[in-house]
Amino acid sequence: GDSVTQMEGPVTLSEEAFLTINCTYTATGYPSLFWYVQYPGEGLQLLLKATKADDKGSNKGFEATYRKETTSFHLEKGSVQVSDSAVYFCALSDQANAGGTSYGKLTFGQGTILTVHP
Amino acid sequence: KAGVTQTPRYLIKTRGQQVTLSCSPISGHRSVSWYQQTPGQGLQFLFEYFSETQRNKGNFPGRFSGRQFSNSRSEMNVSTLELGDSALYLCASSYSRKTLATITDTQYFGPGTRLTVL
Repeated sequence: GDSVTQMEGPVTLSEEAFLTINCTYTATGYPSLFWYVQYPGEGLQLLLKATKADDKGSNKGFEATYRKETTSFHLEKGSVQVSDSAVYFCALSDQANAGGTSYGKLTFGQGTILTVHP
Repeated sequence: KAGVTQTPRYLIKTRGQQVTLSCSPISGHRSVSWYQQTPGQGLQFLFEYFSETQRNKGNFPGRFSGRQFSNSRSEMNVSTLELGDSALYLCASSYSRKTLATITDTQYFGPGTRLTVL
């Protein structure tokens, strides 16, 4: 079945440091890939997405490129801020099956806790 | 547009009771998915509804059920609560297009309902 693996956390950085959170996936079809962010006490917010190979998603300085050859979707940001402290989830949606077994289902990684210090 | 809303935000129940959670999707969205988030298991898919029909179901016992109304609002019910049901329950809505199974629709999440079972 589908699965998503994120790098082990937590990650602690100083402000303005470079961020990379690794994400790799396995899927039976042609998935779309997402990064969601969760702030304390809140639900998930969509950060960025990519729907096909070589697509780059970007938002608020974050970027991730859909690499089919390495089945990866690593999240990067050139200069993190204290306000970026949150939990980051990589997820895939594999809705290419007409059989409907993937309808409405996101498969998530375990999440990576990011803490940014001033 | 207003986002996804969930009520109530917090619930405390005792073992053996049942509970109903409500989710109102973004206007125009016809698909509602439900997830359970726990520290041990992470984010797990419960089920998805589209046009009042359950299209997909995760690997949860029959105590977990749901339904969707004609206005796309959805409820989930958990009967005979167990301690292990304590979790953050998240719903997400997406536009979805019933006839185009290959289209992946982005899911937008609500703030969640925090259920504590004593």
